[in-house]
Amino acid sequence: DSGVTQTPKHLITATGQRVTLRCSPRSGDLSVYWYQQSLDQGLQFLIQYYNGEERAKGNILERFSAQQFPDLHSELNLSSLELGDSALYFCASSVVGSTDSGEQFFGPGTRLTVL
Amino acid sequence: AQSVTQPDIHITVSEGASLELRCNYSYGATPYLFWYVQSPGQGLQLLLKYFSGDTLVQGIKGFEAEFKRSQSSFNLRKPSVHWSDAAEYFCAVGARGNTPLVFGKGTRLSVIA
Repeated sequence: DSGVTQTPKHLITATGQRVTLRCSPRSGDLSVYWYQQSLDQGLQFLIQYYNGEERAKGNILERFSAQQFPDLHSELNLSSLELGDSALYFCASSVVGSTDSGEQFFGPGTRLTVL
Repeated sequence: AQSVTQPDIHITVSEGASLELRCNYSYGATPYLFWYVQSPGQGLQLLLKYFSGDTLVQGIKGFEAEFKRSQSSFNLRKPSVHWSDAAEYFCAVGARGNTPLVFGKGTRLSVIA
């Protein structure tokens, strides 16, 4: 158990819908990352938040957005869903400090199926 | 641009045999290198990491990896594979300062009796 929690575990929805994925980082971790894992693209970085602020952006579609709240949990919002958005979405968190090794701790993921 | 290449998509080894999974990276700065393992239906678990010091690093579950700067490689090894090692293995590169990781496409390991 990494200490990172994600809900829900599975999500099945229809095209055109909107969903919200939730992530709670490890206690004390200020940085949260979202990754998408699909068969054709592999593991792709979407977006990073650090202490409530957006820190880095990767291959995130405009239909997707995220935020990090004052209690440090994060939500990934996916809208106007398409079949191709079906994937496993991971959240990760990392330690911040002078001795940090860049290691990220991953949650169990949310499997999104768009029908 | 940063990139990670795992040349082997799928490897099958016999239980008890040795294992080497290859990883090559392209990164402009000093790389932080990681190997993660993903069992079916599970999240990613860190096996080992390298960011400085001894180029041979030991990880969990009897795995080790060697950083070779001249070859831009960070290959994962295990002297004797167990059936429970069957999983997907991902090599990743990052940097100090809480930066996003760039992952390879993964290598699926199958273990046969």
